[in-house]
Amino acid sequence: NAGVTQTPKFQVLKTGQSMTLQCAQDMNHNSMYWYRQDPGMGLRLIYYSASEGTTDKGEVPNGYNVSRLNKREFSLRLESAAPSQTSVYFCASSRTSGGATDTQYFGPGTRLTVL
Amino acid sequence: RKEVEQDPGPFNVPEGATVAFNCTYSNSASQSFFWYRQDCRKEPKLLMSVYSSGNEDGRFTAQLNRASQYISLLIRDSKLSDSATYLCVVTEYGNKLVFGAGTILRVKS
Repeated sequence: NAGVTQTPKFQVLKTGQSMTLQCAQDMNHNSMYWYRQDPGMGLRLIYYSASEGTTDKGEVPNGYNVSRLNKREFSLRLESAAPSQTSVYFCASSRTSGGATDTQYFGPGTRLTVL
Repeated sequence: RKEVEQDPGPFNVPEGATVAFNCTYSNSASQSFFWYRQDCRKEPKLLMSVYSSGNEDGRFTAQLNRASQYISLLIRDSKLSDSATYLCVVTEYGNKLVFGAGTILRVKS
């Protein structure tokens, strides 16, 4: 079991470039999440997918889009990268989104720098 | 005001020390509470859930005070391997987590 995997691990973009961050889980989880982590701030939810076929905005969705490709995969796209999107991005998954005690499992993160 | 507030530290303690972290949350409707641990440049991992009655897992004890809206984590007999950032986390509704910025712990020999 790999758990939650993310690609790439590191990326440097120029302002205005686009890219897609990939996330996959092999735990048969229904719910998946994208967070960003910035220094001095807690992780903030960008988008989540409660189940295959559904996506919803989190706290900081502007500048991002997501696709729940299938039950395993949840991608995050930056259409026109900005320096303010320099951050560490974590993908997570959980068995469900309705159970408050369902543990979220995180991937290793993608470190993105936008110049 | 941040939804979840923590003292950023760092807390520098010798091996064997007892250290306590506190966390306050602003939403009285928060349902569930957790402590996550994050090692340097790694992903967060669940350390323990926090229950109203308090709970213990080995050297770690978590307490919840709903009336005062704070959560605590006590670590006894600190080990070098306990050095990490400890994240206080609450759920608002459903399973959406709200994270504090974290408290840094450094245990020194």
